[in-house]
Amino acid sequence: EAGVTQSPTHLIKTRGQQATLRCSPISGHTSVYWYQQALGLGLQFLLWYDEGEERNRGNFPPRFSGRQFPNYSSELNVNALELEDSALYLCASSLLGVQETQYFGPGTRLLVL
Amino acid sequence: AQSVTQPDIHITVSEGASLELRCNYSYGATPYLFWYVQSPGQGLQLLLKYFSGDTLVQGIKGFEAEFKRSQSSFNLRKPSVHWSDAAEYFCAVGANTGNQFYFGTGTSLTVIP
Repeated sequence: EAGVTQSPTHLIKTRGQQATLRCSPISGHTSVYWYQQALGLGLQFLLWYDEGEERNRGNFPPRFSGRQFPNYSSELNVNALELEDSALYLCASSLLGVQETQYFGPGTRLLVL
Repeated sequence: AQSVTQPDIHITVSEGASLELRCNYSYGATPYLFWYVQSPGQGLQLLLKYFSGDTLVQGIKGFEAEFKRSQSSFNLRKPSVHWSDAAEYFCAVGANTGNQFYFGTGTSLTVIP
């Protein structure tokens, strides 16, 4: 069974541009989560989607947004990129439920110049 | 507020030696606790999880962790470390609402021959 996949693996943008990151969950999982892993800051929760709806949001500005499609895949959009947005962005998926384990993809490394 | 502390930023052990990685959490209710491992350039892989019941949980790759409510700890252990265990280890607590995971800042493990 395929795990969580993310694309692209690497992305280079310049300040002010927009970045779009994509995630495909494990088959049967309806929940998708996005995390930012910046150097020295650990993993920070960004967004949670389930059944096409945004269910929860971390402490990030509105220029971080996303959506979930009917096939449960998800996009993370980062507008007006800033240098400090450079990080590894991890996507995870799970079944719906607070006790459900989150399974992570390999990540997209975003570099903002 | 929920939080996870991993006091050791970096640990070095000899191959074959025992290992204990510390994790302390702050959470108002019964926590759901996880340990993940991240190899260089990879996503996070689940090692083990605790939801309820037996406070000593067994995971993959010979790892185990013990939940101690009185100490608010969930330390990860392995009796004999292999060179392939060198990686970054993250402890996480799952919230009862919002499906949000709170991660520690990680412990980097180096294994010397």
